[in-house]
Amino acid sequence: EAQVTQNPRYLITVTGKKLTVTCSQNMNHEYMSWYRQDPGLGLRQIYYSMNVEVTDKGDVPEGYKVSRKEKRNFPLILESPSPNQTSLYFCASSPGGAGYEQYFGPGTRLTVT
Amino acid sequence: GENVEQHPSTLSVQEGDSAVIKCTYSDSASNYFPWYKQELGKGPQLIIDIRSNVGEKKDQRIAVTLNKTAKHFSLHITETQPEDSAVYFCAAKGFGNEKLTFGTGTRLTIIP
Repeated sequence: EAQVTQNPRYLITVTGKKLTVTCSQNMNHEYMSWYRQDPGLGLRQIYYSMNVEVTDKGDVPEGYKVSRKEKRNFPLILESPSPNQTSLYFCASSPGGAGYEQYFGPGTRLTVT
Repeated sequence: GENVEQHPSTLSVQEGDSAVIKCTYSDSASNYFPWYKQELGKGPQLIIDIRSNVGEKKDQRIAVTLNKTAKHFSLHITETQPEDSAVYFCAAKGFGNEKLTFGTGTRLTIIP
């Protein structure tokens, strides 16, 4: 089944403790992206990647890192999480960039205390 | 950068009536405008999209219109059904980059 998977689905952590949210797609898509969703603010793009070793900032990249070492994986790294990074995070992939259908994962609910 | 505004934030419609959600964008060079539907507890799913060289697109009960001069685009849902209840997001892709900017969402409730 074609899908985007994220792990973990739920995470509660403390301020400053490094964490990684994994994202994997099995559709051989070139483009992958991370978004955060907050009430009243909609979806905001954090980082995106057009291909292996090619990443670029979205609209809210501060406090986040990404890497794209393999085509199928695009992990999101929070090196020193803060409470304002408490949010619902979505990974997405598409076959040809932001101008094509984005296939979203199920989301990761992160709480930073 | 691109800025997308979406209205209304909530919309209640009687079953069988039509629903319209509107978005405006700031970058006149933006060239791709998708609409996503998000059901409770799930990731968003594309329902329809339109490119800047087209003024209108339909898919059964759903249609999207684009007015490039005014920099706005709208989602039209006709003959609404209970399963149309969800949060809807518009988005715009800027020209020359691979960013996708979303609106703030509209919670649509269909009243049986």
